[in-house]
Amino acid sequence: EPEVTQTPSHQVTQMGQEVILRCVPISNHLYFYWYRQILGQKVEFLVSFYNNEISEKSEIFDDQFSVERPDGSNFTLKIRSTKLEDSAMYFCASSHNRPGQGPGGSNQPQHFGDGTRLSIL
Amino acid sequence: AQTVTQSQPEMSVQEAETVTLSCTYDTSESDYYLFWYKQPPSRQMILVIRQEAYKQQNATENRFSVNFQKAAKSFSLKISDSQLGDAAMYFCAYRPPGAQKLVFGQGTRLTINP
Repeated sequence: EPEVTQTPSHQVTQMGQEVILRCVPISNHLYFYWYRQILGQKVEFLVSFYNNEISEKSEIFDDQFSVERPDGSNFTLKIRSTKLEDSAMYFCASSHNRPGQGPGGSNQPQHFGDGTRLSIL
Repeated sequence: AQTVTQSQPEMSVQEAETVTLSCTYDTSESDYYLFWYKQPPSRQMILVIRQEAYKQQNATENRFSVNFQKAAKSFSLKISDSQLGDAAMYFCAYRPPGAQKLVFGQGTRLTINP
C-alpha cells in the first residue's frame, strides 16, 4: 500500500537556523498537509496545500513558515529562523480529493507519514 | 472554537476483551466528519474508522465500531476481541464542514495485556 514518506526522521538544528522538512506524498494525491505535535500536547494543524498554493492555514503558521512543492513529488515545510518552541514532531499528510468531494464524498481520509522529530538547541 | 476531548490518557485491556475509548467534541455545526486514528510505536498514524455526522448509523470496520451520539457530541470507539497489535496511541479527530484541517484530541494510549 502506498505511503507518505518523510525525511529526515530526526533533525537537530541550532536556534535561529533555517530548517527544511521533506515529505513525499502518495503519488496520485492532490491535497497536502502539515501538522505538528509538541511533546505531550495535541496534534495541531498547520497548513494545507492544493494546486501550488496554500488553501488553509492555522494561526500557528506565521511568516516564519512556508511550504512548497518544488517538483512533482516532494512537499516541503521550511522554518526560516527556528525558535526553541518549534521543537516538535512534524507530520505530513496527503489526501486524494478535497475532503467532502469526489467519490465517497467525505470519505477521503488524510494519510500520514511517520513524522520528523525536530529538536531546536 | 471546535475542540476535541479524550478524557482517558491511558487505558489497558486484556487480550481478547473489549475496550471502549471515549471522545467528546464541541461544535455548533450540524454536518461534520469524525475520525479515529491509530498511531502504533512505529509512529505513522493510520485511519481506523470514520463517521459522517449526517449518518445515523454507527460506522463499523471489522473489530472496530463507534458509538456516535450526535446530541451528546460523543464519538466513542469500541475495540472487540482486542489483539496485541491494537496497542497504540488512539486519536479522535473532527473535521469541520468545508474545511480541510483535522482537529485532534489529546490521544489515549491503549495497552493490551497478554
